[in-house]
Amino acid sequence: AQSVTQLDSQVPVFEEAPVELRCNYSSSVSVYLFWYVQYPNQGLQLLLKYLSGSTLVKGINGFEAEFNKSQTSFHLRKPSVHISDTAEYFCALNQAGTALIFGKGTTLSVSS
Amino acid sequence: KAGVTQTPRYLIKTRGQQVTLSCSPISGHRSVSWYQQTPGQGLQFLFEYFSETQRNKGNFPGRFSGRQFSNSRSEMNVSTLELGDSALYLCASSLGGESSPLHFGNGTRLTVT
Repeated sequence: AQSVTQLDSQVPVFEEAPVELRCNYSSSVSVYLFWYVQYPNQGLQLLLKYLSGSTLVKGINGFEAEFNKSQTSFHLRKPSVHISDTAEYFCALNQAGTALIFGKGTTLSVSS
Repeated sequence: KAGVTQTPRYLIKTRGQQVTLSCSPISGHRSVSWYQQTPGQGLQFLFEYFSETQRNKGNFPGRFSGRQFSNSRSEMNVSTLELGDSALYLCASSLGGESSPLHFGNGTRLTVT
């Protein structure tokens, strides 16, 4: 069965510092990978997706992620964070015949 | 294009009652999925409907049910509410393939007292 593991439940960083949110997945078949962000009292918003092709994908708000098949990882990065990036981030996986499944989420807290 | 609309935003019910939540997908999207979000369990998949047929189902008791109408709007129903059903219920729509990202509504916050 497929699964998604987000390795850090909370990541505190200072404004303008770089950040990496880690995501590992488990699946025996080809997968599609996504990162979503959730701000308080809102639904989830798509940040970026990996479907195929280039392993480095760029998303909105300056975020990017790298798909690494050998390490079954899909880590999210941003070179310089802002206070407004404070939110919860979810890594998600989909494959043929199943529903999208999510990791437990990582709370990113950006302080000045 | 209008986004996914969920109504109502907030709901307070008593144990034993039933509740119906509504979701209007993005125009042109034929797939609607429902998720339950709680602090302890995170995001858990309830079910997915595509063209009025349930295509996938999560591991929830039969008290949780849903349906989709011919205009792709969807409802989910929870009968005999329990305290543990208190959660944020999120609806998402998509074009329907595994590579199609889900577009989420802002959710319905259900509190069971």
